[in-house]
Formats: sequence, C-alpha cells, structure tokens
Amino acid sequence: RKEVEQDPGPFNVPEGATVAFNCTYSNSASQSFFWYRQDCRKEPKLLMSVYSSGNEDGRFTAQLNRASQYISLLIRDSKLSDSATYLCVVNRMDSSYKLIFGSGTRLLVRP
Amino acid sequence: EAGVVQSPRYKIIEKKQPVAFWCNPISGHNTLYWYLQNLGQGPELLIRYENEEAVDDSQLPKDRFSAERLKGVDSTLKIQPAELGDSAVYLCASSPGPPTDTQYFGPGTRLTVL
Repeated sequence: RKEVEQDPGPFNVPEGATVAFNCTYSNSASQSFFWYRQDCRKEPKLLMSVYSSGNEDGRFTAQLNRASQYISLLIRDSKLSDSATYLCVVNRMDSSYKLIFGSGTRLLVRP
Repeated sequence: EAGVVQSPRYKIIEKKQPVAFWCNPISGHNTLYWYLQNLGQGPELLIRYENEEAVDDSQLPKDRFSAERLKGVDSTLKIQPAELGDSAVYLCASSPGPPTDTQYFGPGTRLTVL
C-alpha cells in the first residue's frame, strides 16, 4: 500500500463545475500537507498548503482531517486552465522534511 | 528571481552508457533534492542535500547512481551504466531549508534509455 493514496481519475468536468479530490495518508507522523499542481510535461508547482482549520485561496479550498488521515481539495467554478494533475503531498517530520507525493489525480475541464 | 535550472532538458542514450544531469538551485537555497518521476506517478526522492552534505540518500541505488554537491550550490546526478528501466524524468528541487518545507522544482531532465 502506498503511503499517500489518490484516485488517479481522470475527472472530466464541464467549465463552471465544482470538483473535489480526496487523498489519504497512512503515516500518522505526517505533519505538513500540501497540494501541488503539475501540468503535462512540466514540473510540479505548489498550489496550496493544507492547515488543520481548513484554508481557502480563491476558488480552491483545502481541508485536513487528521483523525481520518484524509485531505481534500475542492475547486469551484472550474476553468479550462485548471486542467492538470493534482498531487497530494505530505511531509513526514520524522524524516525531516521529506515530502511524500501521491501519484496524482488528473483533471480535465472541457468547454 | 531565477528558478531552479536543470540541463539537459532531454537526453537519449543507449543502455550501458553513462549519463549526467546538472542542477543549479535558487540562489540562497541550502537544501537541494533530486527526484525521479515515472509516467503516471508522483516524484520519488533519490537524495537530499543540506549544503554540501547528503543527509538522506536511502533511496539512491548506489550501485549505479551517484550524486555530488561539492561547493553546496549546484549538483550533478550521474548514472553509470544506464539501464532501460532508468527512463524517467529526473527532477531537481530546492528549498530555503527548515523551517520552510516548500520545495521549488526545476523543469526536469527527460531521460530515454534505448
């Protein structure tokens, strides 16, 4: 079993739709959580950090449930430019800033 | 501000040949990472440097892979000899270091081993 699990998708949604991605992690020592975005044949880029209280950045909302070891990302009013792979990432502090990446969830937003 | 620079961007070699990748991190970033990313997978850490010291190389296949960061700035990752299964994207990332754990990635080197 992978340490960070994601549904690979693809999620195929129309413009304007709301879409949610989920991610589970197995190591309870994980302390920091992130969503990275990766466009096709490009490098991963930080989308947002995920805080215990939940956080929002424009159309993007991230939530963390430590008890269930579960992270989510909600995208509202999807744009064509949101089409990408979204990587769930955890940082195991017992390994000192070692990021563990999920395999990613692919999103396709159609006109 | 310049980002992480990697070269070459693409490399095609025959199996059993050696290959080297170069990375120049963001200026002032003490922590440097090399990752391997296979198609449809997330990046997997190969080695992490704090300045010139390799502090985590547990995932580096040391029989054929080597890395160095002699002056604590740019770094080289080498494979010798390359195998078919080494075909992947090799990503370099840098970070200011603790307590910041945000990593900034370079564009990667896409390696094809024939």
